Amino acid sequence: RKEVEQDPGPFNVPEGATVAFNCTYSNSASQSFFWYRQDCRKEPKLLMSVYSSGNEDGRFTAQLNRASQYISLLIRDSKLSDSATYLCVVNGGGSNAGKSTFGDGTTLTVKP
Amino acid sequence: NAGVMQNPRHLVRRRGQEARLRCSPMKGHSHVYWYRQLPEEGLKFMVYLQKENIIDESGMPKERFSAEFPKEGPSILRIQQVVRGDSAAYFCASSTSGTVTYEQYFGPGTRLTVT
Repeated sequence: RKEVEQDPGPFNVPEGATVAFNCTYSNSASQSFFWYRQDCRKEPKLLMSVYSSGNEDGRFTAQLNRASQYISLLIRDSKLSDSATYLCVVNGGGSNAGKSTFGDGTTLTVKP
Repeated sequence: NAGVMQNPRHLVRRRGQEARLRCSPMKGHSHVYWYRQLPEEGLKFMVYLQKENIIDESGMPKERFSAEFPKEGPSILRIQQVVRGDSAAYFCASSTSGTVTYEQYFGPGTRLTVT
């Protein structure tokens, strides 16, 4: 089993749609969680951190469920510019603090 | 505030040659990470370094690959006797130790092509 697993995708949605991505992680000691976006094999860019209380940034909402070891990203009112690969990232705890494990990514294509 | 710098952006090597990839972290960052992304695959962790220390190299191939982050100067990822299978994008990221969350910021990557 992979340490971080994401929805395989791809997701093809029309503009304006709401889309949700899920991610599960296997290490219960993991301390911090992120969503990154990667465009066309360029460098990943940090989209948002994920907190236990959930957090929102404009059209993007991230949730963390520690009991189920599950992270989600919700994108509302999708734009063409949201087309990208979304990467779920989990940082280890304890002796693995600072080491990040990336999911393989979920590809989103937003169509006019 | 300059971001993470990597050079060269593109590197072409013939089989058997050596490749040296450089990474300068963001100002104030003391942690450096190297990742490899093969064509059509996800990012794979290679090594995590702090100044003069390798913290975790569990993702590094056992042979031909080495990394360092000296007291002065950039971090270097070195690949000896390159083979075609080493062709990939190599990304460097940096983070600060001032937070427990370790958000990483990536450089633009080095695209290595082995001919």
